[in-house]
Amino acid sequence: DGGITQSPKYLFRKEGQNVTLSCEQNLNHDAMYWYRQDPGQGLRLIYYSQIVNDFQKGDIAEGYSVSREKKESFPLTVTSAQKNPTAFYLCASSSWDRGYAYNSPLHFGNGTRLTVT
Amino acid sequence: AQSVSQHNHHVILSEAASLELGCNYSYGGTVNLFWYVQYPGQHLQLLLKYFSGDPLVKGIKGFEAEFIKSKFSFNLRKPSVQWSDTAEYFCAVNLGGNNRLAFGKGNQVVVIP
Repeated sequence: DGGITQSPKYLFRKEGQNVTLSCEQNLNHDAMYWYRQDPGQGLRLIYYSQIVNDFQKGDIAEGYSVSREKKESFPLTVTSAQKNPTAFYLCASSSWDRGYAYNSPLHFGNGTRLTVT
Repeated sequence: AQSVSQHNHHVILSEAASLELGCNYSYGGTVNLFWYVQYPGQHLQLLLKYFSGDPLVKGIKGFEAEFIKSKFSFNLRKPSVQWSDTAEYFCAVNLGGNNRLAFGKGNQVVVIP
């Protein structure tokens, strides 16, 4: 079955440490996204990538970094500069159809819950 | 910047009651509109979408939404809810040709058997 795999499901880190969240998809989608979900805040876009070796900042990119070296993979690093890193992180992907990525719906992973103490 | 507003974050209703969740957005150009649902313990999934054409859109599980351009709204409705509709519902908007999707804050819906 095609889908998006996020790992691990739960992650604990000490304050001051960088941590990398994994996101892999086998849907052959060109576009990939990272969202952060906080209670009562909805989903906020951190970074997105339309093609390999290219990515753009979303609405809350400060304190995060990404890479897109392979089409299937879009890891997110939460750096020590992120002031409130404890959150639920969602990765998503979509296919790029006639230049409009949202002609196809977003496919979401199951998320990674990061707790920083 | 575009924004998406969802009101009444927590909604509690009984089975067979009707449900309507409001969604308003702030952009005057061409938009694509979506409702996503997140059932307890599951990942987000698409409920329905609007790109063009008939402003009344039918989705899965008996849901529908109506796009009213003059009101910048895309409200979600279901005439008779079931216990299994307990979930969090998110409205999302992107500008035509733009690949950034903006989400509302969500509506937590609890259906009491």
